[in-house]
Amino acid sequence: GQNIDQPTEMTATEGAIVQINCTYQTSGFNGLFWYQQHAGEAPTFLSYNVLDGLEEKGRFSSFLSRSKGYSYLLLKELQMKDSASYLCAAPGGATNKLIFGTGTLLAVQP
Amino acid sequence: NAGVTQTPKFRVLKTGQSMTLLCAQDMNHEYMYWYRQDPGMGLRLIHYSVGEGTTAKGEVPDGYNVSRLKKQNFLLGLESAAPSQTSVYFCASSYVVGGGSNQPQHFGDGTRLSIL
Repeated sequence: GQNIDQPTEMTATEGAIVQINCTYQTSGFNGLFWYQQHAGEAPTFLSYNVLDGLEEKGRFSSFLSRSKGYSYLLLKELQMKDSASYLCAAPGGATNKLIFGTGTLLAVQP
Repeated sequence: NAGVTQTPKFRVLKTGQSMTLLCAQDMNHEYMYWYRQDPGMGLRLIHYSVGEGTTAKGEVPDGYNVSRLKKQNFLLGLESAAPSQTSVYFCASSYVVGGGSNQPQHFGDGTRLSIL
């Protein structure tokens, strides 16, 4: 079967660094996505990893280990506007269907 | 560039009523998807389409029907609404997958549907 696990909630301080973990089990592997979703809004694409290692995009980085079925999203220099849900998702097959985790609600405090 | 547009944004229905949710994308994407999002459940795929005239079932298709008569539009229908279908519905679209990699899905702003 296919399953995505991530923590339900996290709290961090403005200016700090936070790591949001995701473990996955999928039939086959076609990469892993991270999306950001602010309350009441649509999910927006953050990153996509298909090879092992770290992908950096400004304050956000995403890491993948295919052998461990593990990914994390690293947010640096946290800002209040980073308070949101962060969704880990893995595609299932050639039609790009996504299996989503339940999301990690990140609260950034002053 | 509007991206993915969903209408309506909000709707309240009575049990047994029917309605259609509209999704339009202007990015010439081949693939389109309908999800529902419920607290503690995450996004779950209802139906999807890999091109004009095609549809397929996702994870939770029961009680819903879809049509993709035009490439840019993907309609989600509820024939007889039930309280269990109270949810936030998101439409998404993406380019064709190829070259061993996948394409990010672009989401609409959602439709908040309440069934009384």
